[in-house]
Parts: sequence; C-alpha cells; structure tokens
Amino acid sequence: DAGVIQSPRHEVTEMGQEVTLRCKPISGHDYLFWYRQTMMRGLELLIYFNNNVPIDDSGMPEDRFSAKMPNASFSTLKIQPSEPRDSAVYFCASSLASSGSGNTIYFGEGSWLTVV
Amino acid sequence: AQTVTQSQPEMSVQEAETVTLSCTYDTSESDYYLFWYKQPPSRQMILVIRQEAYKQQNATENRFSVNFQKAAKSFSLKISDSQLGDAAMYFCAYWDNDMRFGAGTRLTVKP
Repeated sequence: DAGVIQSPRHEVTEMGQEVTLRCKPISGHDYLFWYRQTMMRGLELLIYFNNNVPIDDSGMPEDRFSAKMPNASFSTLKIQPSEPRDSAVYFCASSLASSGSGNTIYFGEGSWLTVV
Repeated sequence: AQTVTQSQPEMSVQEAETVTLSCTYDTSESDYYLFWYKQPPSRQMILVIRQEAYKQQNATENRFSVNFQKAAKSFSLKISDSQLGDAAMYFCAYWDNDMRFGAGTRLTVKP
C-alpha cells in the first residue's frame, strides 16, 4: 500500500494568501485525521472524519481553517487567509476503526507550511 | 477528555544500554488502546508499539517493550540495546474515538 499521501510536502506562502493542503488516506480506512505540529504546542488534533463525516472539529483554531472530505479517498485542509502563526507541519493520518487493527493510525509525511 | 502526560522532555542513553520512557494517561474508560510513536528528524511519525488495554500481557516488538500498568494508568516504553538510529522524539498516544498525544520525549543516543 502507498500509505497516506500528502501534498504539498513544502509550501511557503505570503500572509493573507489561501493555502490548501491535500490528503489521500490509505484505501479502505474510514477514519481521517488532521494534526498540526509546532514547537510550542506539540501535536494538536485539528479535526477528524469518520466515513467522510466530520466528527470533531473542536481543535480547529478559528474560522480561517476549514476541512472537507468529499469522498473516501480525498480530504483538504484550507487556511484562508493565512497568517505567520499558522506556520507548522500539518499531518494527515488515517486508520481503520476495527478492533482487529487496534485502531493504529498511519501518518503521512506531513506538509511543511511557512507563512511569511 | 483524556490526557496523556510525558514527564521527561529529554532523555539520554548510551549506545547498547537500556532506557525507559515514561507515560501516564487519564481516562474513565476500561477498553482503549495505547501507542508509542517515534518521530526522527525527518518528521515522519512511525508506529513503534501498541497495547490494547484489555490485554494484561505487555506488548513487545523486538528491542521495544512496554510496561503497562492499567490501575496506575501508566504506559512506559523500554528500549533495549539502544542504537544510534533510535534517536528521535517519542510520543505516547491514547486512542478512544480519537487519538491524543503526549508532549513527547526527545531521546539522544550517545555512541
């Protein structure tokens, strides 16, 4: 399996611009997570989906952030407008929510975002 | 909400020695999953080991093992015969409907 695929791997953008991060989960996985990692806050869960439906978005920092999962194989995390404090590594992860798999989450390689 | 606490921001071990990383968590659930993830400088999150709460036997994966104390809500990771490639950030994580991570422990391996 190709694993969780994220794009872009690196992005540098100017403050105020729209940023869209993309994720393709592992085929067959029914949970998808978006995490943000910074030095100050560590790993934060932003939002997660189950069967394409957002279950908990309480970690989304503010209205500038939005996430969608139009189908089982694709999700986006959008920041509009972006600010320098949004600079972080954004991870997408997926899991198969069955007891047999032990709910192991598999991570993508992350999208490194720098907002200048 | 559950919380995961890693009380050791940094740890150091001599190559070939053994090191134990600590983790405690808070939950009112009886059935859940616990994990240790490794994050090397590449930032890739790599699963090291997992433990199902209803299994009393401690999980083991080659040089990695856990000491799971359910009553104490403790889940420590032991790395035996440490290797230079073990140097990384280690995150303890708890799963119950979603995954929550501790703040991490940075492990340095000295040659």
